[in-house]
This record gives sequence, structure tokens and C-alpha cells, in this order.
Amino acid sequence: KQEVTQIPAALSVPEGENLVLNCSFTDSAIYNLQWFRQDPGKGLTSLLLIQSSQREQTSGRLNASLDKSSGRSTLYIAASQPGDSATYLCAVNSVDDYKLSFGAGTTVTVRA
Amino acid sequence: GAVVSQHPSWVICKSGTSVKIECRSLDFQATTMFWYRQFPKQSLMLMATSNEGSKATYEQGVEKDKFLINHASLTLSTLTVTSAHPEDSSFYICSASPSGSSYEQYFGPGTRLTVT
Repeated sequence: KQEVTQIPAALSVPEGENLVLNCSFTDSAIYNLQWFRQDPGKGLTSLLLIQSSQREQTSGRLNASLDKSSGRSTLYIAASQPGDSATYLCAVNSVDDYKLSFGAGTTVTVRA
Repeated sequence: GAVVSQHPSWVICKSGTSVKIECRSLDFQATTMFWYRQFPKQSLMLMATSNEGSKATYEQGVEKDKFLINHASLTLSTLTVTSAHPEDSSFYICSASPSGSSYEQYFGPGTRLTVT
């Protein structure tokens, strides 16, 4: 059974700092990995999707890397802004089924 | 494209009553839909996988008689919480996979259920 862990659980930084969010998974047989953003009381917003054959994906200030063999992914957010405050979830799609396994999330607070 | 809606966005019901939540894929057909539950400050937990025209597959520990899932068309899945109790209060989120793209999931905005 795929287990997904996100560290740290919470993070508070001053505006302008770069953010580094970590995700690890136990079974490297994955099809893809996704990073989501969730605002309080809201649904999920997909940020980046990395296929298992890719090493990284970039979108604006966001960059996600994937090291499948070691079971790790890192989400970098450059030059953080207060609007980046949210919970960030990592989810892994395993090869043997179509289910997404979610981490518990990292709650980010960017102080103005 | 790839928009998923849920209705209602929030609902309050009395203990012992049933409530139905709808999940619709607006601009694509979805052979498979998924239902998740999220408790406060916790992550999403998959409850069941819903396949059009067949019975849903429930995850371990999820009561199939309490959480009834119907996927009668390629654009609509419903989750009915029967005989709801306060402990069923949660945020329910659905997702839909476009037919032929089993590894993609598009998420709905969620439904907040409060049972009093």
C-alpha cells in the first residue's frame, strides 16, 4: 500500500523567501505525482503534474522535482507572497491502480 | 476544460436523515469517478471508486450500506449518506477521470456536510 509523507506539516516564512516542501512515497512504481493547493474550506487546485519519466516540471514561480528511485519529490516556490498561504498536498498515482494516494499536506503561512 | 461540479456546496441535515451529493463532469465523459472524505486539518481519504454502469468499489472500513454511490451516466455520480450522524460531518470531494485517461483526475469543489 502506497504511503505518502509530507514534511514539514507546517511552515511560516516572511514574504520573499523561497519555500521548499518535501514529499516522500514508499512505492516507487508510480505513474505520476501531482502537487495540489487547497485553501481553507475549498477544493483542490492542481499545480503541477510530473509523469514518472520526468525529473521536473515548472510553472511560473513553482518548480517540482521528482526522484522516483528514492521516492521523493520537492516543490519549490520562489519569492513567496502572502497569497501563497495555503495547504499544499502531494498525491501519487500508483501503476497498479488508478487511485491517488495523498500526503497529509504542508500548511504554509507567508507573513507580509 | 475538464470541469467538475458538486452540488450542493454545503448542506446541514438532522441526525437520522439522508442526504445526497451530486458530482458532475461538465465538459467530458467520465467512466470512473472517485469519492473522498476530508476531516478538518487532515488529508483526503478515498472512500470509493465509482464506475459507470457497475457497482462502486469501497475502500476498507467504508460502510457501503451507509454511503450509497450511484454512477448512472457518464457525467453524473451521486453519493447518498444514509441515516447521517454527527460523526459523518465532513468535507466530501469527488473527482472524475476522463474516459480513456484513467490516470487523470479532475476534482470538484467539495461539499461541506454538517449533521446536527
